[in-house]
Amino acid sequence: NAGVTQTPKFRILKIGQSMTLQCTQDMNHNYMYWYRQDPGMGLKLIYYSVGAGITDKGEVPNGYNVSRSTTEDFPLRLELAAPSQTSVYFCASSLWPGNGYTFGSGTRLTVV
Amino acid sequence: DQQVKQNSPSLSVQEGRISILNCDYTNSMFDYFLWYKKYPAEGPTFLISISSIKDKNEDGRFTVFLNKSAKHLSLHIVPSQPGDSAVYFCAASGAGKSTFGDGTTLTVKP
Repeated sequence: NAGVTQTPKFRILKIGQSMTLQCTQDMNHNYMYWYRQDPGMGLKLIYYSVGAGITDKGEVPNGYNVSRSTTEDFPLRLELAAPSQTSVYFCASSLWPGNGYTFGSGTRLTVV
Repeated sequence: DQQVKQNSPSLSVQEGRISILNCDYTNSMFDYFLWYKKYPAEGPTFLISISSIKDKNEDGRFTVFLNKSAKHLSLHIVPSQPGDSAVYFCAASGAGKSTFGDGTTLTVKP
């Protein structure tokens, strides 16, 4: 049982480049989330989804986009990367919000 | 405006003693409160949760207490073990999503 799988694990982007962070889960969870964690800080919600075809903005959505065409996949798109997007990105899923999230192992992104 | 606050960035305890991690929140609409543990270079792992209608939940060495009037929750770990050394995040759930605190780094000394 793989749980939540994130790819890539590490990436270096140049300013202005774009990329997609992939996230897939095999637990048939309806709820999926993208968080970022800056050094010494907590997790800030970027976008979330309560089911296929439904997405909503979190606390820090600027510079990002998401889509949810299937229950399993929830990719995060960065357009025109900026140094402020240097962070560790975590994808998570849950059966329902109070149940506790299953997190992926993270993607460490550096924008130079 | 930070809705979930962990005011202690770090805590150090002796092996075998009790660890108490604290968390305060401001939004009384949160319906679940959760604790996660995180090791370096890994994603957070869910530990224990409590519904807003309860005041205590226990799971093995871990107990979470909720004081709704004070908007305060705490995680007790008894007895503490060196393997418990990690960053602990408090989270509050409402409207389909969770808000996290900044974390407390727990160090358990042998």
